[in-house]
Amino acid sequence: AQSVSQHNHHVILSEAASLELGCNYSYGGTVNLFWYVQYPGQHLQLLLKYFSGDPLVKGIKGFEAEFIKSKFSFNLRKPSVQWSDTAEYFCAVSGYGGSQGNLIFGKGTKLSVKP
Amino acid sequence: DTGVSQNPRHKITKRGQNVTFRCDPISEHNRLYWYRQTLGQGPEFLTYFQNEAQLEKSRLLSDRFSAERPKGSFSTLEIQRTEQGDSAMYLCASSQSGQYYGYTFGSGTRLTVV
Repeated sequence: AQSVSQHNHHVILSEAASLELGCNYSYGGTVNLFWYVQYPGQHLQLLLKYFSGDPLVKGIKGFEAEFIKSKFSFNLRKPSVQWSDTAEYFCAVSGYGGSQGNLIFGKGTKLSVKP
Repeated sequence: DTGVSQNPRHKITKRGQNVTFRCDPISEHNRLYWYRQTLGQGPEFLTYFQNEAQLEKSRLLSDRFSAERPKGSFSTLEIQRTEQGDSAMYLCASSQSGQYYGYTFGSGTRLTVV
């Protein structure tokens, strides 16, 4: 079955610490991969995406993610977090090609950054 | 463009009542999606439309759920004979087919069934 697994439910970091959030997926075929972020009280926003090409993808606000096909992983990283990065982060996968009707989301990782 | 708009923001209903939610997508987007999110879970796919055609429905979408997009613009999601298990955040998103930039989500409608 198609699924997305996010390793951590809640991560607590101090400002300036480095961040890595794990994401593994199970999907038959070529995939598109996404990270979405949901700040407190706001709607889901696209952070970054991978379709093809360079497996290291850069997104907004200094985030990046690396697609490792052999590990079925798409981990999110940021070298130095800020208090404003406090949010919930969702990894998602969809099938590649025209019929991208359905994003499959992980359960999310809540990030709390202490000032 | 004000993004994806969902109404109402909150809905409290008694068990057994019918409820209807509305979603207005970004005007140039021809695809519209409905998701449901419960506490501690990621969004779960319910259904999606391309223009007015409903192209895919999840097994999560029981017979009590129906969605329409009659003119290929706004969409409605109706839940009949609501149950307490229907309490969730109902999310709408839109995108443009052919160029996958990711979905734009609305703020959602929070349904509480009492």
